[in-house]
Amino acid sequence: DTGVSQDPRHKITKRGQNVTFRCDPISEHNRLYWYRQTLGQGPEFLTYFQNEAQLEKSRLLSDRFSAERPKGSFSTLEIQRTEQGDSAMYLCASSLGPPPAPGLIPNEQFFGPGTRLTVL
Amino acid sequence: SQKIEQNSEALNIQEGKTATLTCNYTNYSPAYLQWYRQDPGRGPVFLLLIRENEKEKRKERLKVTFDTTLKQSLFHITASQPADSATYLCALSPALNYGGATNKLIFGTGTLLAVQP
Repeated sequence: DTGVSQDPRHKITKRGQNVTFRCDPISEHNRLYWYRQTLGQGPEFLTYFQNEAQLEKSRLLSDRFSAERPKGSFSTLEIQRTEQGDSAMYLCASSLGPPPAPGLIPNEQFFGPGTRLTVL
Repeated sequence: SQKIEQNSEALNIQEGKTATLTCNYTNYSPAYLQWYRQDPGRGPVFLLLIRENEKEKRKERLKVTFDTTLKQSLFHITASQPADSATYLCALSPALNYGGATNKLIFGTGTLLAVQP
């Protein structure tokens, strides 16, 4: 399967614990995105990488959240001291294209299956 | 405040009819707008993209319109089938001051479409 993969698919943890999710994008894609989706809502943007550089972070991404993409390939999203409000589906997406520039429209984003986090 | 609104109520239609879904936005100047399909427990799948200077885009049984004056996009599925049943999300990318668009997507809440056989 050459699509975006995420691991684990499901994670149940106790409040206060740290969790880490992994995303493997489509191999030739230089852009990688993280979104969070709660029940009945659309995905909310968290952060975005162009190769290994983290170019944008949402205000939703509190200091308990950190994302990395050290070699410009896979990415990890860590949540420290989890809270019940962190329970959600965490989606990763990737795309191919240049950085934002006048007249350029980014290519479509390909989403992974998501990691379902439940914080007890 | 900035909002993207889609019909929160499910849309139920009969097989063979045309489904029309609405996406309204306020306080955004999108460079382009996209529509995605999402099945339960899965990530969204890209369907169509329409730019701010385009009025209409078609792909097979799908049609999207974009009215930047009304700040609205309509998504049509003609000759609908039960397999079209899913949640449909609209998403936009805010334009940048110097042109082009940001890379992040701002999603609406989605509309659940149910096509009855």
